[in-house]
Amino acid sequence: NAGVTQTPKFQVLKTGQSMTLQCAQDMNHNSMYWYRQDPGMGLRLIYYSASEGTTDKGEVPNGYNVSRLNKREFSLRLESAAPSQTSVYFCASSESMGDYGYTFGSGTRLTVV
Amino acid sequence: QKEVEQNSGPLSVPEGAIASLNCTYSDRGSQSFFWYRQYSGKSPELIMFIYSNGDKEDGRFTAQLNKASQYVSLLIRDSQPSDSATYLCAVQYNFNKFYFGSGTKLNVKP
Repeated sequence: NAGVTQTPKFQVLKTGQSMTLQCAQDMNHNSMYWYRQDPGMGLRLIYYSASEGTTDKGEVPNGYNVSRLNKREFSLRLESAAPSQTSVYFCASSESMGDYGYTFGSGTRLTVV
Repeated sequence: QKEVEQNSGPLSVPEGAIASLNCTYSDRGSQSFFWYRQYSGKSPELIMFIYSNGDKEDGRFTAQLNKASQYVSLLIRDSQPSDSATYLCAVQYNFNKFYFGSGTKLNVKP
């Protein structure tokens, strides 16, 4: 099993450019999440999807949009990248609304210059 | 503001010793508590979770929860150099919403 697969692994953007981070899971999990991790600040929730067809804002949603394409796939879009969005982005999935913890993807290291 | 606090470390212990990692949280309504391990440049991986007061053991790892004092700890017995990593504490406040601490870096010296 691949678990949670994220693409790309690395990306450099210029300020104002847009991009989409892709995430897919093969564990038949209902819930999927996007987090960002910054030094000294821990993981912060951007958006989540409790189940196919639903999405909700997390702690830091400004500047991002998401799409739950189907049960397997959950994408994160940056419409106009800003240097403050330089971070490591993790996708995660869970069964049973996170009661048993998350499985994380390998991450995307994004730099906005 | 939901807060989860961890000492950033580094915590250094000799090989074979017990490593003790601590986490405090601010909301008494917290329901579930998780420990993740994160190697440098890698993604977090779940070690264990605990829901009820007391201890929960899994191999060399023991999670301890004290809801009255609002802390959760992770003990690693017989620490190995391969345990050197950052350990993240996560607290579930309601369904689908977790808050993570910034992590404690553990160094196990051979």
